[in-house]
Amino acid sequence: SQTIHQWPATLVQPVGSPLSLECTVEGTSNPNLYWYRQAAGRGLQLLFYSVGIGQISSEVPQNLSASRPQDRQFILSSKKLLLSDSGFYLCAWSEGDPYEQYFGPGTRLTVT
Amino acid sequence: KNEVEQSPQNLTAQEGEFITINCSYSVGISALHWLQQHPGGGIVSLFMLSSGKKKHGRLIATINIQEKHSSLHITASHPRDSAVYICAAYGGATNKLIFGTGTLLAVQP
Repeated sequence: SQTIHQWPATLVQPVGSPLSLECTVEGTSNPNLYWYRQAAGRGLQLLFYSVGIGQISSEVPQNLSASRPQDRQFILSSKKLLLSDSGFYLCAWSEGDPYEQYFGPGTRLTVT
Repeated sequence: KNEVEQSPQNLTAQEGEFITINCSYSVGISALHWLQQHPGGGIVSLFMLSSGKKKHGRLIATINIQEKHSSLHITASHPRDSAVYICAAYGGATNKLIFGTGTLLAVQP
């Protein structure tokens, strides 16, 4: 069966510090991968999605970037965090149909 | 106006009550997803439907494509049903999942 992992589970970082969040999927090959952010009191916002290694599409211009160095690994990064980057970050995967997505446990990021 | 609207935003019910959460969307879709997010943040997929009705245990989801409306019903509600329920529509011009802002449900014993 397929599983999706995210780490860390929680993170507190100062403004201006770098960020690296990791997501890995097991039990499937060539999944579509997604990064979402959920700000307090707001719906999920798609940040990036990837249909293959090295293929990243950005949905929202911002100071975040994503990379997919391996088939089942998706990384969300920032060189300098802003206060507005605080939120709950969710990774998701889908196989084939992009509307049937499965979500990871999430990372709660607080930028201070 | 959001492309996916949910109502109510907050709902408090007594244990055993029948609960309905509504979702309306303004885009043409090929599928609609109901998700459950527990207080810890993890999201679980409940239903994915493109027509008609689906039932799983005490949960029932319906969709009316012509009216662009879906409902999630919970029968015999229980405190463990307390969570945020999110609908997400797939389709429209972007071919992405478009999420509603969620309905916070609290079921009191």
